[in-house]
Amino acid sequence: KAGVTQTPRYLIKTRGQQVTLSCSPISGHRSVSWYQQTPGQGLQFLFEYFSETQRNKGNFPGRFSGRQFSNSRSEMNVSTLELGDSALYLCASSPAPAGGNEKLFFGSGTQLSVL
Amino acid sequence: DQQVKQNSPSLSVQEGRISILNCDYTNSMFDYFLWYKKYPAEGPTFLISISSIKDKNEDGRFTVFLNKSAKHLSLHIVPSQPGDSAVYFCAARPTGANSKLTFGKGITLSVRP
Repeated sequence: KAGVTQTPRYLIKTRGQQVTLSCSPISGHRSVSWYQQTPGQGLQFLFEYFSETQRNKGNFPGRFSGRQFSNSRSEMNVSTLELGDSALYLCASSPAPAGGNEKLFFGSGTQLSVL
Repeated sequence: DQQVKQNSPSLSVQEGRISILNCDYTNSMFDYFLWYKKYPAEGPTFLISISSIKDKNEDGRFTVFLNKSAKHLSLHIVPSQPGDSAVYFCAARPTGANSKLTFGKGITLSVRP
């Protein structure tokens, strides 16, 4: 079974631009969560989608948004990029909504650099 | 406010010895705890978990201990192997179907041959 696939693997943007990252979950997984990893802050929760609905949201500004499609694939968008948005963006999937004893399965991430 | 704290950013141990990775939490509503391991250029992978109804869970070389009164958990790796060198993240979530996973900042473990 293929794992969680994130594209692109690397991305370089300039301040003010917007970016869209893509995540394909493990087949059969309907929950997709997004995390931002930076050296100083570890993994910070962005949001979670299940069956095309946002179930949970972290403490990030409105410039960060996401959506999920009927095939469970998810995209996240960051508008008006800032230098501080440079990070590794990780997507994780699980069969059921993230909670309880559900384990998350992570992709390799998209490394975003904002210049 | 960092609800899951991994205060030591790094740990170096000799191959064959025990590695002890510590994690503290502040939210008393947390009742499920997980450890993830991350190699460079890869996503985190699940390692081991423990529910708050237990104080110990063991899986091969890996054992997680939970001390609820101290709001502390630790991951023991015995014996440590060079392939264990990675970043280890402690994570926790509270009860409830709509609960999100909160991660610590991670500990970089280096196992010296």
